[in-house]
Amino acid sequence: QKEVEQNSGPLSVPEGAIASLNCTYSDRGSQSFFWYRQYSGKSPELIMSIYSNGDKEDGRFTAQLNKASQYVSLLIRDSQPSDSATYLCAVKEGFQKLVFGTGTRLLVSP
Amino acid sequence: DGGITQSPKYLFRKEGQNVTLSCEQNLNHDAMYWYRQDPGQGLRLIYYSQIVNDFQKGDIAEGYSVSREKKESFPLTVTSAQKNPTAFYLCASSIQRDTEAFFGQGTRLTVV
Repeated sequence: QKEVEQNSGPLSVPEGAIASLNCTYSDRGSQSFFWYRQYSGKSPELIMSIYSNGDKEDGRFTAQLNKASQYVSLLIRDSQPSDSATYLCAVKEGFQKLVFGTGTRLLVSP
Repeated sequence: DGGITQSPKYLFRKEGQNVTLSCEQNLNHDAMYWYRQDPGQGLRLIYYSQIVNDFQKGDIAEGYSVSREKKESFPLTVTSAQKNPTAFYLCASSIQRDTEAFFGQGTRLTVV
Protein backbone atom coordinates (compact mmCIF):
# COMPACT_ATOMS: atom_id res chain seq x y z
CA GLN A 1 0.00 0.00 0.00
CA LYS A 2 1.34 3.40 -0.99
CA GLU A 3 1.89 5.84 1.87
CA VAL A 4 0.14 8.75 0.15
CA GLU A 5 -2.32 8.07 -2.65
CA GLN A 6 -3.81 10.40 -5.24
CA ASN A 7 -5.76 9.85 -8.41
CA SER A 8 -3.39 10.71 -11.25
CA GLY A 9 -6.15 12.25 -13.38
CA PRO A 10 -6.35 14.25 -15.47
CA LEU A 11 -9.21 16.01 -13.75
CA SER A 12 -10.91 18.25 -16.29
CA VAL A 13 -13.14 21.13 -15.20
CA PRO A 14 -14.53 24.15 -17.06
CA GLU A 15 -13.43 27.64 -16.14
CA GLY A 16 -15.36 28.95 -13.14
CA ALA A 17 -16.18 25.51 -11.74
CA ILE A 18 -15.02 23.95 -8.48
CA ALA A 19 -12.15 21.48 -8.73
CA SER A 20 -11.97 18.82 -6.03
CA LEU A 21 -8.69 17.00 -5.43
CA ASN A 22 -8.40 14.10 -3.02
CA CYS A 23 -5.64 12.35 -1.11
CA THR A 24 -5.50 9.44 1.34
CA TYR A 25 -2.59 8.50 3.60
CA SER A 26 -1.60 5.42 5.54
CA ASP A 27 0.28 6.71 8.62
CA ARG A 28 -2.30 7.33 11.36
CA GLY A 29 0.26 9.25 13.40
CA SER A 30 0.72 11.95 10.77
CA GLN A 31 -0.04 15.45 12.01
CA SER A 32 0.97 17.76 9.17
CA PHE A 33 -0.50 17.87 5.67
CA PHE A 34 0.33 20.02 2.67
CA TRP A 35 -0.81 20.76 -0.86
CA TYR A 36 1.67 21.84 -3.51
CA ARG A 37 1.15 22.98 -7.07
CA GLN A 38 3.67 22.07 -9.74
CA TYR A 39 3.73 23.49 -13.25
CA SER A 40 5.41 21.43 -15.94
CA GLY A 41 9.19 21.63 -15.67
CA LYS A 42 9.09 23.68 -12.47
CA SER A 43 9.57 22.92 -8.80
CA PRO A 44 6.58 22.50 -6.45
CA GLU A 45 5.18 25.56 -4.70
CA LEU A 46 3.25 25.42 -1.45
CA ILE A 47 -0.44 26.25 -1.64
CA MET A 48 -1.87 25.18 1.70
CA SER A 49 -0.89 23.55 4.95
CA ILE A 50 -3.39 22.01 7.37
CA TYR A 51 -2.82 20.50 10.78
CA SER A 52 -6.27 20.15 12.41
CA ASN A 53 -9.44 18.37 11.42
CA GLY A 54 -11.88 20.49 9.46
CA ASP A 55 -11.59 23.13 6.78
CA LYS A 56 -8.99 25.80 6.17
CA GLU A 57 -9.67 28.50 3.60
CA ASP A 58 -7.22 30.76 1.79
CA GLY A 59 -8.67 32.78 -1.05
CA ARG A 60 -10.05 30.41 -3.68
CA PHE A 61 -8.49 27.39 -1.99
CA THR A 62 -9.96 25.27 0.80
CA ALA A 63 -8.12 22.36 2.39
CA GLN A 64 -10.12 19.75 4.25
CA LEU A 65 -8.70 17.22 6.71
CA ASN A 66 -10.33 14.17 8.26
CA LYS A 67 -7.81 12.28 10.38
CA ALA A 68 -10.26 9.53 11.33
CA SER A 69 -10.71 8.68 7.65
CA GLN A 70 -7.07 9.51 6.80
CA TYR A 71 -8.26 11.81 4.07
CA VAL A 72 -7.15 15.23 2.85
CA SER A 73 -8.76 17.23 0.07
CA LEU A 74 -8.25 20.49 -1.77
CA LEU A 75 -11.07 22.50 -3.29
CA ILE A 76 -10.36 25.19 -5.86
CA ARG A 77 -13.27 27.56 -6.38
CA ASP A 78 -13.75 29.62 -9.54
CA SER A 79 -11.11 27.55 -11.36
CA GLN A 80 -9.00 29.44 -13.88
CA PRO A 81 -6.95 28.13 -16.83
CA SER A 82 -3.87 29.28 -14.89
CA ASP A 83 -4.75 26.68 -12.24
CA SER A 84 -3.94 23.94 -14.74
CA ALA A 85 -1.04 22.09 -13.13
CA THR A 86 -0.23 18.99 -11.14
CA TYR A 87 -1.30 19.13 -7.50
CA LEU A 88 0.80 17.17 -5.02
CA CYS A 89 -0.40 16.04 -1.61
CA ALA A 90 2.31 15.71 1.05
CA VAL A 91 2.21 14.22 4.53
CA LYS A 92 4.77 14.63 7.31
CA GLU A 93 5.32 11.19 8.82
CA GLY A 94 6.90 10.87 12.24
CA PHE A 95 7.55 14.63 12.35
CA GLN A 96 10.50 14.16 10.01
CA LYS A 97 9.81 12.36 6.77
CA LEU A 98 7.86 14.38 4.21
CA VAL A 99 6.18 11.97 1.81
CA PHE A 100 4.46 12.95 -1.44
CA GLY A 101 1.74 11.40 -3.49
CA THR A 102 2.18 10.99 -7.24
CA GLY A 103 0.02 14.04 -7.93
CA THR A 104 -3.23 14.82 -9.71
CA ARG A 105 -3.10 16.65 -13.01
CA LEU A 106 -5.77 19.37 -13.25
CA LEU A 107 -6.91 20.79 -16.59
CA VAL A 108 -9.13 23.88 -16.57
CA SER A 109 -10.67 24.64 -19.94
CA PRO A 110 -11.66 28.18 -20.96
CA ASP B 1 17.10 37.83 -0.72
CA GLY B 2 16.22 34.64 1.14
CA GLY B 3 15.65 31.33 -0.49
CA ILE B 4 16.89 27.92 -1.52
CA THR B 5 19.45 27.79 -4.30
CA GLN B 6 20.22 24.68 -6.29
CA SER B 7 23.04 24.51 -8.77
CA PRO B 8 23.57 23.81 -11.53
CA LYS B 9 20.17 24.01 -13.21
CA TYR B 10 21.21 21.46 -15.84
CA LEU B 11 23.91 18.82 -15.45
CA PHE B 12 25.23 16.21 -17.83
CA ARG B 13 27.13 13.20 -16.59
CA LYS B 14 28.98 10.47 -18.36
CA GLU B 15 28.28 6.94 -17.26
CA GLY B 16 30.55 5.87 -14.43
CA GLN B 17 31.11 9.37 -13.09
CA ASN B 18 30.14 10.74 -9.71
CA VAL B 19 28.49 14.17 -9.68
CA THR B 20 27.55 16.47 -6.81
CA LEU B 21 24.44 18.64 -6.78
CA SER B 22 24.53 21.74 -4.63
CA CYS B 23 21.75 22.95 -2.33
CA GLU B 24 22.17 26.07 -0.21
CA GLN B 25 19.59 27.89 1.91
CA ASN B 26 19.81 31.19 3.77
CA LEU B 27 16.47 30.82 5.56
CA ASN B 28 18.00 29.42 8.76
CA HIS B 29 15.94 26.27 8.27
CA ASP B 30 16.78 23.21 10.35
CA ALA B 31 15.50 20.46 8.08
CA MET B 32 16.61 19.77 4.51
CA TYR B 33 15.46 17.18 2.00
CA TRP B 34 16.45 15.71 -1.35
CA TYR B 35 13.85 14.31 -3.75
CA ARG B 36 13.99 12.73 -7.15
CA GLN B 37 11.23 13.17 -9.74
CA ASP B 38 10.95 11.11 -12.91
CA PRO B 39 8.74 12.20 -15.83
CA GLY B 40 5.07 11.98 -14.94
CA GLN B 41 5.88 10.75 -11.44
CA GLY B 42 5.64 12.08 -7.93
CA LEU B 43 8.53 13.01 -5.65
CA ARG B 44 10.54 10.21 -4.08
CA LEU B 45 12.59 10.91 -0.96
CA ILE B 46 16.33 10.23 -1.24
CA TYR B 47 17.77 11.63 2.01
CA TYR B 48 16.72 14.05 4.71
CA SER B 49 18.44 15.85 7.57
CA GLN B 50 17.02 17.48 10.68
CA ILE B 51 20.25 18.85 12.15
CA VAL B 52 23.88 19.40 11.25
CA ASN B 53 25.99 16.24 11.02
CA ASP B 54 22.92 14.00 11.00
CA PHE B 55 20.88 12.60 8.11
CA GLN B 56 18.61 9.68 7.35
CA LYS B 57 17.99 7.55 4.28
CA GLY B 58 14.75 8.01 2.47
CA ASP B 59 13.01 5.50 0.24
CA ILE B 60 15.55 5.43 -2.60
CA ALA B 61 18.96 6.17 -1.02
CA GLU B 62 20.91 3.49 -2.89
CA GLY B 63 23.52 5.04 -5.18
CA TYR B 64 23.36 8.44 -3.47
CA SER B 65 25.29 10.07 -0.63
CA VAL B 66 24.89 13.32 1.31
CA SER B 67 26.63 15.42 3.94
CA ARG B 68 25.38 18.09 6.35
CA GLU B 69 28.48 19.84 7.63
CA LYS B 70 26.80 23.24 7.75
CA LYS B 71 23.20 24.17 8.53
CA GLU B 72 22.78 26.01 5.25
CA SER B 73 24.23 23.36 2.94
CA PHE B 74 23.07 19.85 1.99
CA PRO B 75 24.92 18.59 -1.12
CA LEU B 76 23.86 15.39 -2.86
CA THR B 77 26.34 13.12 -4.65
CA VAL B 78 25.01 10.84 -7.34
CA THR B 79 27.49 7.97 -7.51
CA SER B 80 28.27 5.57 -10.33
CA ALA B 81 26.34 2.95 -8.35
CA GLN B 82 23.08 4.73 -9.22
CA LYS B 83 22.00 2.80 -12.31
CA ASN B 84 19.39 5.19 -13.65
CA PRO B 85 20.33 8.69 -12.48
CA THR B 86 18.61 10.72 -15.19
CA ALA B 87 15.90 12.67 -13.35
CA PHE B 88 14.83 16.02 -11.92
CA TYR B 89 16.38 16.52 -8.46
CA LEU B 90 14.70 18.78 -5.94
CA CYS B 91 16.04 20.12 -2.68
CA ALA B 92 13.72 21.43 0.03
CA SER B 93 14.00 22.88 3.53
CA SER B 94 11.70 23.60 6.46
CA ILE B 95 12.07 25.69 9.58
CA GLN B 96 11.03 22.95 11.98
CA ARG B 97 10.38 19.28 11.72
CA ASP B 98 6.59 19.55 11.39
CA THR B 99 6.20 22.63 9.23
CA GLU B 100 5.89 23.12 5.52
CA ALA B 101 8.86 22.68 3.22
CA PHE B 102 9.95 25.02 0.45
CA PHE B 103 11.73 23.98 -2.70
CA GLY B 104 14.65 25.15 -4.75
CA GLN B 105 14.32 25.44 -8.53
CA GLY B 106 15.70 21.95 -9.12
CA THR B 107 18.59 20.37 -11.03
CA ARG B 108 17.91 18.36 -14.16
CA LEU B 109 20.52 15.60 -14.45
CA THR B 110 21.05 13.73 -17.68
CA VAL B 111 23.41 10.81 -18.23
CA VAL B 112 25.05 10.93 -21.65
